[in-house]
Amino acid sequence: DAKTTQPTSMDCAEGRAANLPCNHSTISGNEYVYWYRQIHSQGPQYIIHGLKNNETNEMASLIITEDRKSSTLILPHATLRDTAVYYCIVRVASLIIQGAQKLVFGQGTRLTINP
Amino acid sequence: DGGITQSPKYLFRKEGQNVTLSCEQNLNHDAMYWYRQDPGQGLRLIYYSQIVNDFQKGDIAEGYSVSREKKESFPLTVTSAQKNPTAFYLCASSPPGTGEQYFGPGTRLTVT
Repeated sequence: DAKTTQPTSMDCAEGRAANLPCNHSTISGNEYVYWYRQIHSQGPQYIIHGLKNNETNEMASLIITEDRKSSTLILPHATLRDTAVYYCIVRVASLIIQGAQKLVFGQGTRLTINP
Repeated sequence: DGGITQSPKYLFRKEGQNVTLSCEQNLNHDAMYWYRQDPGQGLRLIYYSQIVNDFQKGDIAEGYSVSREKKESFPLTVTSAQKNPTAFYLCASSPPGTGEQYFGPGTRLTVT
């Protein structure tokens, strides 16, 4: 199983871009990178995922390096509501059975957006 | 509105009692999951179910039991055999073929 490494915490000023790094140096070719976030005392929320191309949606952008050993989640204009714990997860493709996806959540990065 | 509901939000029990946590979804998802989260930690998988009448143990199933009699419902029972039951419990569901899981608001269980 590919493991991920994220900084424990980060700070960012409101209105600036928040760049959250994730290392996944043991990722294999058929494994996706997923990002979730968890606002305090709530359930996690899916943000974005990618395989090898950069991805963008209404919430964020995901930049994956060419060797796929690391990625960066970008929140382009961070707001106070983006304060949360952000989880980088590598989807373990071999554990997918009939549609059930076993995701491994580490400790994530605690992102604090400052006014 | 489609989504996942968990009830109650807060639950208090005495040590030695079994307690059942509710999880209902109207997203028409086949797969459902139960996670446990301790303070400052990530989520750990307790049980998951791929389809009605089927469920599999996750990483920390000891002291827990589940049932999946209906597609919409996946209740979790925390038994007296669970040594440290106080935690935040999260239920999720997912459509097939993706890693996108949709989470409920969670139930915070305190056992004294």
